[in-house]
Amino acid sequence: GENVEQHPSTLSVQEGDSAVIKCTYSDSASNYFPWYKQELGKGPQLIIDIRSNVGEKKDQRIAVTLNKTAKHFSLHITETQPEDSAVYFCAATPVRGSTLGRLYFGRGTQLTVWP
Amino acid sequence: GAVVSQHPSRVICKSGTSVKIECRSLDFQATTMFWYRQFPKKSLMLMATSNEGSKATYEQGVEKDKFLINHASLTLSTLTVTSAHPEDSSFYICSASDDGELFFGEGSRLTVL
Repeated sequence: GENVEQHPSTLSVQEGDSAVIKCTYSDSASNYFPWYKQELGKGPQLIIDIRSNVGEKKDQRIAVTLNKTAKHFSLHITETQPEDSAVYFCAATPVRGSTLGRLYFGRGTQLTVWP
Repeated sequence: GAVVSQHPSRVICKSGTSVKIECRSLDFQATTMFWYRQFPKKSLMLMATSNEGSKATYEQGVEKDKFLINHASLTLSTLTVTSAHPEDSSFYICSASDDGELFFGEGSRLTVL
């Protein structure tokens, strides 16, 4: 099955700085790569995703890049704010048509943004 | 994005009792729902895939008789923790797929005394 590795496990940045979280995956059949933000005591929230037919996607301060050849994808958060502090999970899965298979999650990154 | 509602958000029960957690897709129909378990500071562990109108598919190591899953309609799946014990205390999260994206419920914190 798929194996997703996520680094770093913890990340501390100063408010206004950028944060980068990296993930690698093993299954070349994976073609959907979502990122989730989980605040304490809550369920994960989808913040951005990318599919294998694009190399980069951006939504305001958040961007995701994908390198299918190297089998890695990254989350970039610019101009970080204290409210960005949370655990971030990457995931990977194959999608056939519109049918989403099970997601394989990374271990998570605890991001702390200091004011 | 799509909304997945989970209830209750917190439940405390005595050892030996059963607890039911509901997961509803509020604005879309979900043929498939997923149930996860999460330990403190850990990633999400898939427990089972819930299929509407058929039996759930459990991951290896998950006890089918302990964690009963019923997906009675396209908008509701339930997880029943039977004869709960303190080691079943955990954060249980459901998710559902809508048009190729996966959305999560808010989670249910189960504490077994």
